[in-house]
Amino acid sequence: KQEVTQIPAALSVPEGENLVLNCSFTDSAIYNLQWFRQDPGKGLTSLLLIQSSQREQTSGRLNASLDKSSGRSTLYIAASQPGDSATYLCAVLPFYGGATNKLIFGTGTLLAVQP
Amino acid sequence: DAGVIQSPRHEVTEMGQEVTLRCKPISGHNSLFWYRQTMMRGLELLIYFNNNVPIDDSGMPEDRFSAKMPNASFSTLKIQPSEPRDSAVYFCASSVPSYEQYFGPGTRLTVT
Repeated sequence: KQEVTQIPAALSVPEGENLVLNCSFTDSAIYNLQWFRQDPGKGLTSLLLIQSSQREQTSGRLNASLDKSSGRSTLYIAASQPGDSATYLCAVLPFYGGATNKLIFGTGTLLAVQP
Repeated sequence: DAGVIQSPRHEVTEMGQEVTLRCKPISGHNSLFWYRQTMMRGLELLIYFNNNVPIDDSGMPEDRFSAKMPNASFSTLKIQPSEPRDSAVYFCASSVPSYEQYFGPGTRLTVT
């Protein structure tokens, strides 16, 4: 059974710092991995999608990496800003040998960037 | 595109009443998902549809919950009768199969 873990559960950093959020999954048979952001009282916003054949994806100050063999992904945020404060969730799409849509979510990392 | 649209955004109802949540997916997306989020249990997938057909409803907690997708642009999640423990935020999401999922703003349900 695929399990997704995010460590740490909460993180507080001063503005301007570079930071890394971690995501681990137990089964390397995945189709893709997706990083989301959730602001309080809001829905999830998709940040980056990495296909299983890719090693990383970049969008602005965000860079996500994927190492399937070790079951790990990281989300790197450069030059953090108070507006980056949110909960960050990773989710994997397991590969069952055919088309599947059932994302498995981690429990999230609550990020606070202090001005 | 307006994104995934959900209504109502907030719903307060009394125990025993029927609740209907609505979702309009992004045009062209033929996969639709219903999730529930609580502090205690996090984000849970309730059911998902491909091409309007329910594929996996193993997350639907009880027979009190039902979901329909009569056409490609509309889905409902119904709870009848509602109970206080159903209080949560319910999200609808849509995607092209096996690609990025896009979430709606959610419906915050409070059952008193």
